[in-house]
Amino acid sequence: EAGVAQSPRYKIIEKRQSVAFWCNPISGHATLYWYQQILGQGPKLLIQFQNNGVVDDSQLPKDRFSAERLKGVDSTLKIQPAKLEDSAVYLCASSLRPTPSYGYTFGSGTRLTVV
Amino acid sequence: AQKITQTQPGMFVQEKEAVTLDCTYDTSDPSYGLFWYKQPSSGEMIFLIYQGSYDQQNATEGRYSLNFQKARKSANLVISASQLGDSAMYFCAMREGGGYSTLTFGKGTMLLVSP
Repeated sequence: EAGVAQSPRYKIIEKRQSVAFWCNPISGHATLYWYQQILGQGPKLLIQFQNNGVVDDSQLPKDRFSAERLKGVDSTLKIQPAKLEDSAVYLCASSLRPTPSYGYTFGSGTRLTVV
Repeated sequence: AQKITQTQPGMFVQEKEAVTLDCTYDTSDPSYGLFWYKQPSSGEMIFLIYQGSYDQQNATEGRYSLNFQKARKSANLVISASQLGDSAMYFCAMREGGGYSTLTFGKGTMLLVSP
């Protein structure tokens, strides 16, 4: 089966600019996640979708971050305006079921550098 | 409180030797899953092994085994016969039962395998 697709692979922007990341999960995976991984740390959940509905966005900085999942398939994560501390790898993952025995399949990530 | 604790920032091992990466977890939920992921320098998160809280036997996947000690709340990863390609960051993660659970990651352990 095809994996989780993410683009772009790398992005460099200036602070206060906007940026968007795209994710296509594994076909049939109803649950989609966006994680932020700052250098030297473990991934931190930003938002979780179940189909096209948001389940958990408690750690999403909503003043500058937004995400949507159109038709329960592809998802886009946007940052506007970007800050220096947003420099990180943004990982998208999908899961067949949102239950303990089901792990995630991750995409390759988007490495964002804000200068 | 940290849900996943990985106390070893870095580990060194010689090729062909075995190595144990430590992980302790904190949960009051009787149903949970424990996962280990490998993250090479290229950035993708690669699933290695899974242990369910109700599993009676320790999980094994090829050269990877999980030393699950439920009473101590530890889930150490054992890599036998280390290879140069095992050099990477290793993350322990947990997914608790109930509702739409998500993976919570530890801070990771960097493993370096030398010839």
